Amino acid sequence: TQLLEQSPQFLSIQEGENLTVYCNSSSVFSSLQWYRQEPGEGPVLLVTVVTGGEVKKLKRLTFQFGDARKDSSLHITAAQPGDTGLYLCAGALTGNQFYFGTGTSLTVIP
Amino acid sequence: GAVVSQHPSRVICKSGTSVKIECRSLDFQATTMFWYRQFPKQSLMLMATSNEGSKATYEQGVEKDKFLINHASLTLSTLTVTSAHPEDSSFYICSARVGMYEQYFGPGTRLTVT
Repeated sequence: TQLLEQSPQFLSIQEGENLTVYCNSSSVFSSLQWYRQEPGEGPVLLVTVVTGGEVKKLKRLTFQFGDARKDSSLHITAAQPGDTGLYLCAGALTGNQFYFGTGTSLTVIP
Repeated sequence: GAVVSQHPSRVICKSGTSVKIECRSLDFQATTMFWYRQFPKQSLMLMATSNEGSKATYEQGVEKDKFLINHASLTLSTLTVTSAHPEDSSFYICSARVGMYEQYFGPGTRLTVT
């Protein structure tokens, strides 16, 4: 059983559409990160959220950390083919470890 | 951002042999590094936490004697897959902790055991 569940697992949309990816857990995290990973490469950090209720924007990407620090969402506006990839959330518990979500594979069709 | 390298990027070995994978922090010192394993189209599974100068902490279900981790310096951690078998074939990724909340990843190592 994974600590963090992401939904949806797979998403295929047309260029220009909006989408939201969810990352849920029953555990409380001290911080939560979102990554994007291309095939055959390591994940690349997109954002870190620390405070419950925090919202961060990165161009067309909006990240939100839940008030209770148990969940997070990633919203992409006007998706582009370059957004295609595996999106991963990762939570840091009060100890030293980071645990990854189940992943969301996004395909944006031109 | 911080740069983490891994070597080799790809390795093919025969069943029963051992393989060492290196993870280096290039422009910073990392007291804590992590090793992950990833199967195709799946997420990353934490294998172990590597702390410089002390024994690694392994996640439940990960065999310590099979996956040997050494973090001998502040810029280098190694993962040795001993007596490799085809089921050990996977994508192995390391990361280095930066500050309290973030980690930066290496590019990964594709291990194929024949």
